Amino acid sequence: RKEVEQDPGPFNVPEGATVAFNCTYSNSASQSFFWYRQDCRKEPKLLMSVYSSGNEDGRFTAQLNRASQYISLLIRDSKLSDSATYLCVVNTGNQFYFGTGTSLTVIP
Amino acid sequence: NAGVMQNPRHLVRRRGQEARLRCSPMKGHSHVYWYRQLPEEGLKFMVYLQKENIIDESGMPKERFSAEFPKEGPSILRIQQVVRGDSAAYFCASSEGQAGNQPQHFGDGTRLSIL
Repeated sequence: RKEVEQDPGPFNVPEGATVAFNCTYSNSASQSFFWYRQDCRKEPKLLMSVYSSGNEDGRFTAQLNRASQYISLLIRDSKLSDSATYLCVVNTGNQFYFGTGTSLTVIP
Repeated sequence: NAGVMQNPRHLVRRRGQEARLRCSPMKGHSHVYWYRQLPEEGLKFMVYLQKENIIDESGMPKERFSAEFPKEGPSILRIQQVVRGDSAAYFCASSEGQAGNQPQHFGDGTRLSIL
């Protein structure tokens, strides 16, 4: 079983829509969690850390469910510039495990 | 630019040659990570280093690959006797603190192509 699993999508949504991504992780000892975004052939960029209590940054909301070992990302009022691949990242020990990413395209 | 600096951006090698990829972490960061990304795949952890120490190299292939982070200068990922399967994007990331406590910041990557 993979350390981190994500639905690859693609998700094609109209501007202004709300979209949610989920990610599951296999190791219950995982310590910290992040969402990154990666534009085509570019480097991953940190979007937000994910805290147990859930956290929000503008139009983005991240949730962590340790009991079920999943992480979610909600994007409200989607913009064209949100089109990217969203990577779920889980830290276990010294290693960061990356999901293969969920592709989002926001359509005008 | 105070970000993570990788060079070269693109590197072309023939089979059997050596490839050297360089990474200078963000200012103030002493933790460096190397990842490999194959087309249409996720990032795969290779190695985690601090200055002059390899902390975790469990993701490194057993042969031909090595990494260092000397006291002075950038971190180097070295691939000897390259093969076609080594063609990938290699990303370096750095963090201020220990793995897990701080998020990582990535460089632009080196695209390695093997002819």
